[in-house]
Amino acid sequence: GDSVTQMEGPVTLSEEAFLTINCTYTATGYPSLFWYVQYPGEGLQLLLKATKADDKGSNKGFEATYRKETTSFHLEKGSVQVSDSAVYFCALVPQGGSEKLVFGKGTKLTVNP
Amino acid sequence: EAGVTQFPSHSVIEKGQTVTLRCDPISGHDNLYWYRRVMGKEIKFLLHFVKESKQDESGMPNNRFLAERTGGTYSTLKVQPAELEDSGVYFCASSQEASGQETQYFGPGTRLLVL
Repeated sequence: GDSVTQMEGPVTLSEEAFLTINCTYTATGYPSLFWYVQYPGEGLQLLLKATKADDKGSNKGFEATYRKETTSFHLEKGSVQVSDSAVYFCALVPQGGSEKLVFGKGTKLTVNP
Repeated sequence: EAGVTQFPSHSVIEKGQTVTLRCDPISGHDNLYWYRRVMGKEIKFLLHFVKESKQDESGMPNNRFLAERTGGTYSTLKVQPAELEDSGVYFCASSQEASGQETQYFGPGTRLLVL
């Protein structure tokens, strides 16, 4: 079945460090891909998305590119801030039919000043 | 515009009791989804409503869970009787359209603890 694998956390970085959170998926065809973020004490928020191969999603300095050939959607940010501390979830919606999100386990990021 | 709201934010109950969770989607959103995250595991889909109809309930774990959306507005998820393994965070989400590209907007979740 469809699944998402993302790097295990927790990840701890210093402010202004470069961030990569790896995400790979298993799905037939061309799923839509998403990154959601959950800040402490809050619900899930959409961070960015890409709906077709080679699309790049971007928001708040974060980027991820839909790579069909490697079935990946890695999240990157060039310079993290303390306010980026959160749990990040990679997710997909399978192509055709179901609209349900399939999530990875989440990666907790802590950014220290 | 108000976001997705969920009530209660926390619930602590004993095994065998009944709990009802409520979700109010964003106004005008016909699509409503329930998900849950059991401790240490992925967020898992439970079911999807389109207006008042259940479009997909393939993720409902067993018949102790009953979801309703009378009138196509708010939804309730009842767990009866609750078991220890039902503990987790229950999320509700809504979207305007039902397409794979549509953003689902999530509520803050209800944290359920079954003792």
